[in-house]
Amino acid sequence: NAGVMQNPRHLVRRRGQEARLRCSPMKGHSHVYWYRQLPEEGLKFMVYLQKENIIDESGMPKERFSAEFPKEGPSILRIQQVVRGDSAAYFCASSQKGAGTEAFFGQGTRLTVV
Amino acid sequence: GQQVMQIPQYQHVQEGEDFTTYCNSSTTLSNIQWYKQRPGGHPVFLIQLVKSGEVKKQKRLTFQFGEAKKNSSLHITATQTTDVGTYFCAGSYNQGGKLIFGQGTELSVKP
Repeated sequence: NAGVMQNPRHLVRRRGQEARLRCSPMKGHSHVYWYRQLPEEGLKFMVYLQKENIIDESGMPKERFSAEFPKEGPSILRIQQVVRGDSAAYFCASSQKGAGTEAFFGQGTRLTVV
Repeated sequence: GQQVMQIPQYQHVQEGEDFTTYCNSSTTLSNIQWYKQRPGGHPVFLIQLVKSGEVKKQKRLTFQFGEAKKNSSLHITATQTTDVGTYFCAGSYNQGGKLIFGQGTELSVKP
């Protein structure tokens, strides 16, 4: 049973480019969370999705950021027109039944904007 | 807004000493979870507490959930170098809601 898979592990983008981060949840998990972590800081909630639905996107910037979790395929976090301040580690977590059950984290995507 | 505060931010201990990290919320939590993140790694689930006043133990780790379900603590007895990492609490305010993480406590252990 594979864990939460995130790819790529490392992503380098120039300012203005788009970044696409993928997350495949654990088998049987229909709840996905995206978190952002800056060096030496905690995990900041961005968005919570269930299959085909955004449940809570209160932590996601209104502009340039979007997330989806289609019926088939991985969850995608998309950052358009990246800026230096977007450089961070982005972690995805999945759970079977939402908050109140154990969340399993992927190894993260480390985004560097140059 | 909903926020989980965690202290201290850093803790340096000598191997064999005890360690405690505390989490606080201004409003009642539905449940609280604890995670450990090793340097360069990803958060790994340790435990979940649901009931008021709940205490759970895992070997040298003791987890408590306050009576009012607004605070929680993690205590490590006789730290070892393998305990090094950042410990996060994460709370949710309702069933099915998002997990909100505290800022984490980074533990370093001197051999």
